[in-house]
Amino acid sequence: EVQLLESGGGLVQPGGSLRLSCVGSGFTFGSFAMNWGRQTPEKGLEWVSGISAVDGSTFYADSVRGRFTISRDDSKNTLYLQMNSLRAEDTAVYYCAKGHSIGSWLVDFWGQGALVTVSS
Amino acid sequence: VVTQSPGTLSLSPGESATLFCRAGQTVSDNYLAWYQQKPGQPPRLLIYEIFRRPTGIPDRFIGSGSGTDFTLTISRLEPEDFAVYYCQVYGISPRPFGQGTKVEIK
Repeated sequence: EVQLLESGGGLVQPGGSLRLSCVGSGFTFGSFAMNWGRQTPEKGLEWVSGISAVDGSTFYADSVRGRFTISRDDSKNTLYLQMNSLRAEDTAVYYCAKGHSIGSWLVDFWGQGALVTVSS
Repeated sequence: VVTQSPGTLSLSPGESATLFCRAGQTVSDNYLAWYQQKPGQPPRLLIYEIFRRPTGIPDRFIGSGSGTDFTLTISRLEPEDFAVYYCQVYGISPRPFGQGTKVEIK
């Protein structure tokens, strides 16, 4: 059974930093592209970032490029999202999301999510 | 930009639901997906490549369409089908989602 367990969410002040982690199990982690998405009631679902399993190439939404960094440690079955210079509009539930295949950006499984609140 | 309609569908169990999704440009390689989301849960993949169902998704969920216009049909609504449905174009960055259609019990 595929499982994705996010951690690291919480309350942070504007301008601050936070690192999310996601441990995957039930599948061969290193064989799949991985993603982060987020959701708010106001803006709905939004893809944030993705990382290839082929060559580690990374991709970002314009709204987070230059502030967020996605990375993965396949030896630990873990995906990370380093979030810097956080803004109020980054407040959301952040989901770790598994790609459908090694090079596919289709998400076929989402974790339960971690709440990030950016507020003073 | 991906636009879904209607915003809300009020239907009874046993009825059929038709949800629409329009992409701002032609979807290449059929990279159009549908997700279902229930309160407090993450999205669940229902349909990919316009009409393909992952293992375990009931055949009452039917995806169709081409170009820029797509449809999700849910035949014979079951109680567990009342939820919010999102479409997504995943072949282009930033992999945009529609704003969702809520299927509620009438």
